[in-house]
Amino acid sequence: RKEVEQDPGPFNVPEGATVAFNCTYSNSASQSFFWYRQDCRKEPKLLMSVYSSGNEDGRFTAQLNRASQYISLLIRDSKLSDSATYLCVARPHSGGYQKVTFGTGTKLQVIP
Amino acid sequence: EAQVTQNPRYLITVTGKKLTVTCSQNMNHEYMSWYRQDPGLGLRQIYYSMNVEVTDKGDVPEGYKVSRKEKRNFPLILESPSPNQTSLYFCASSLGGNPSEQYFGPGTRLTVT
Repeated sequence: RKEVEQDPGPFNVPEGATVAFNCTYSNSASQSFFWYRQDCRKEPKLLMSVYSSGNEDGRFTAQLNRASQYISLLIRDSKLSDSATYLCVARPHSGGYQKVTFGTGTKLQVIP
Repeated sequence: EAQVTQNPRYLITVTGKKLTVTCSQNMNHEYMSWYRQDPGLGLRQIYYSMNVEVTDKGDVPEGYKVSRKEKRNFPLILESPSPNQTSLYFCASSLGGNPSEQYFGPGTRLTVT
């Protein structure tokens, strides 16, 4: 089983729709989680960190479910510019273990 | 402007010819890392460094070397490139000694024939 798994998609959604992605992680020691956005042939860029209590940044909401070991990203009122691949990241607790594991990404296509 | 730079951006080379991809950051970040990205496999960590002279293997270190002699630079060395190292490579850096929010370079597309 992969350490971090995502549905590759693509998710094709109309403008204005709400869309949600999940990302599961297998290492229960994972403590830090992030969502990155990657446009085609470009470098990944941090979208948001994921906090235990959940957090929101404008149209984007991130949630963490430790019991089921997944994180989610909700995008409200989708824009054409949201079309990209969304990568989730899990990092185990610090204390010497500094590896980072990325999911393979979920592709989102927002259509007019 | 705060940034991570990589050079070259594109490289086509032949099997066995040693090459170095440079990475430099101007943000005084302690943590730096190299990734490769392949279709269907996502980003996989090659090596990382928590500070000067401190490096460690990621998930796919075979065939690669790194060094961290200065805080700002973290070159990736392929001593004897092979076709299976054809990939898109990203360097990243992060404030602090552990990988929290990472800033990525623009990528280096390497083709080994």
